[in-house]
Amino acid sequence: GEDVEQSLFLSVREGDSSVINCTYTDSSSTYLYWYKQEPGAGLQLLTYIFSNMDMKQDQRLTVLLNKKDKHLSLRIADTQTGDSAIYFCAESFSGGSYIPTFGRGTSLIVHP
Amino acid sequence: NAGVTQTPKFQVLKTGQSMTLQCAQDMNHNSMYWYRQDPGMGLRLIYYSASEGTTDKGEVPNGYNVSRLNKREFSLRLESAAPSQTSVYFCASSEYAGGKDGYTFGSGTRLTVV
Repeated sequence: GEDVEQSLFLSVREGDSSVINCTYTDSSSTYLYWYKQEPGAGLQLLTYIFSNMDMKQDQRLTVLLNKKDKHLSLRIADTQTGDSAIYFCAESFSGGSYIPTFGRGTSLIVHP
Repeated sequence: NAGVTQTPKFQVLKTGQSMTLQCAQDMNHNSMYWYRQDPGMGLRLIYYSASEGTTDKGEVPNGYNVSRLNKREFSLRLESAAPSQTSVYFCASSEYAGGKDGYTFGSGTRLTVV
């Protein structure tokens, strides 16, 4: 079966880079996603990467995919206080219904 | 603004009461989903509707029923609420499951069962 694991907390200083990590178990993943959830709000899709890619960059966000180790990371450059939120990793895999499986979320705390 | 609208935003129920959570999307999406979010548990899928006229169980369907009323609307019903159903409920929609556009989520319904 599928499983997505994330560390629960990350604390960084404003202006530093943040790296949020995720591991998944299903080798037949198609898309992998990063979502952001701000307090009191629903999840918002930040970015995605297709499983045949190694890297995707989108402004301050860089997604790295290591298929051999089944490891996904999200790097946020020049982290700002507005980046404080919970970040969810999710995978969609071809062996099931394609419905994404979500990790438990990483709480990113940015302090001055 | 286009998106997913959930009502109500907050609700307190007594054990044994029933209620229906409403969800509507205006993006002409085919698929709709209900999740619950509990502290430290992430998102767990309750039910989904891959297309109008179909519904399927997710990971935690017990105690819930759903209705895909039309392409826009997907409701979640609690027939006899229990304290274990205290949670934040999110509705989401997508053009197709697992596509590059991911899901669009509503802002959630915070339900407390006492």
